Amino acid sequence: NAGVTQTPKFQVLKTGQSMTLQCAQDMNHNSMYWYRQDPGMGLRLIYYSASEGTTDKGEVPNGYNVSRLNKREFSLRLESAAPSQTSVYFCASAKGPGQGLNEQFFGPGTRLTVL
Amino acid sequence: DAKTTQPNSMESNEEEPVHLPCNHSTISGTDYIHWYRQLPSQGPEYVIHGLTSNVNNRMASLAIAEDRKSSTLILHRATLRDAAVYYCILRPTGNQFYFGTGTSLTVIP
Repeated sequence: NAGVTQTPKFQVLKTGQSMTLQCAQDMNHNSMYWYRQDPGMGLRLIYYSASEGTTDKGEVPNGYNVSRLNKREFSLRLESAAPSQTSVYFCASAKGPGQGLNEQFFGPGTRLTVL
Repeated sequence: DAKTTQPNSMESNEEEPVHLPCNHSTISGTDYIHWYRQLPSQGPEYVIHGLTSNVNNRMASLAIAEDRKSSTLILHRATLRDAAVYYCILRPTGNQFYFGTGTSLTVIP
């Protein structure tokens, strides 16, 4: 099992450019999440998908869109990148909502710099 | 949303026990207490969780106060590989985790 994989690992964009961060999981999990982590800060939830076909906003959704392509894949799109979106982006997955355990498994992260 | 308070940083000597505190005075009856840790340049990883009773697993122990307003993560013998940021998170029966800034643990050889 690869667990949660993310591509790319690193990316540099210019202000105004667009890009899509890809995430895939092979654990047959229902729920998937996108977080961002700024230097010296904890993780903040951008969007999540409780199950295939649904997406919901998290704490900091502005400037992002998501697509739950199928049960395995959950992508994050920046339509017009801004320097404030420079961050490390983590994707995570979990079995499903409403469970006390619901351990989240995280990918290795994508380090994004917007110039 | 219930929030947690943790010290910014702690130090421990190698092979000694470490007690990482967390205050969560606004916890509700259905909030689970989760602990994750993040090693340098990696994504967070699950450590342990509990609701009311103390819990043990291969990585750590979780001691929960009787009133549930605080909890303590216990690493029984700190190793250099335990140097990480430890996050105490309250998880309601829903989807969202709120990570906070965590406690940065330094292990001294």
